[in-house]
Amino acid sequence: GAVVSQHPSRVICKSGTSVKIECRSLDFQATTMFWYRQFPKQSLMLMATSNEGSKATYEQGVEKDKFLINHASLTLSTLTVTSAHPEDSSFYICSARGILAPGTETQYFGPGTRLLVL
Amino acid sequence: RKEVEQDPGPFNVPEGATVAFNCTYSNSASQSFFWYRQDCRKEPKLLMSVYSSGNEDGRFTAQLNRASQYISLLIRDSKLSDSATYLCVVIFISGGYQKVTFGTGTKLQVIP
Repeated sequence: GAVVSQHPSRVICKSGTSVKIECRSLDFQATTMFWYRQFPKQSLMLMATSNEGSKATYEQGVEKDKFLINHASLTLSTLTVTSAHPEDSSFYICSARGILAPGTETQYFGPGTRLLVL
Repeated sequence: RKEVEQDPGPFNVPEGATVAFNCTYSNSASQSFFWYRQDCRKEPKLLMSVYSSGNEDGRFTAQLNRASQYISLLIRDSKLSDSATYLCVVIFISGGYQKVTFGTGTKLQVIP
């Protein structure tokens, strides 16, 4: 079964509104969570990395005031796209890194959230 | 030079064929390597880790060449269900900060 969940899976919103995406790790504590964006036919692009209880580290070119990340606990991270515009329409994927079995630390991906801004 | 580079393909191979992909990385201090599989419009899923000694999982073999800074994935006896995009992932850790870099992916199409 899925070890990382994301909600919502799909969202359509009007330009100017804010959208919050939740990412939860199931059955394990995520030491680090990552947020990626993927445009059609392109690779995953890392937006930011976050550790529980500390500020996220944003990649170059990603506006931290536009993409707010909150990593409130070891199992939950949220990404809020503030004042979304059509160019923000994309596939947003979260990933959680943690230990599911002794001696193995692996990164698991959520199923993704398709955002369409009209 | 890109941090992680892959041939985008597509690789069109007949069923039963053997196909290999390479992925080169620029940071010699990179520590962890993985292959992920991504189906169209889905999230990436871990296929296998890549260990220094090489590792095999059924029809899949992954190898790491640190001297030449590349990892490889070999698929034997290709199945139609192997059609997907294969992403290599390279992880570099420094001072408690972890950087995960994805390749752009290599598309594989297995043909009946």
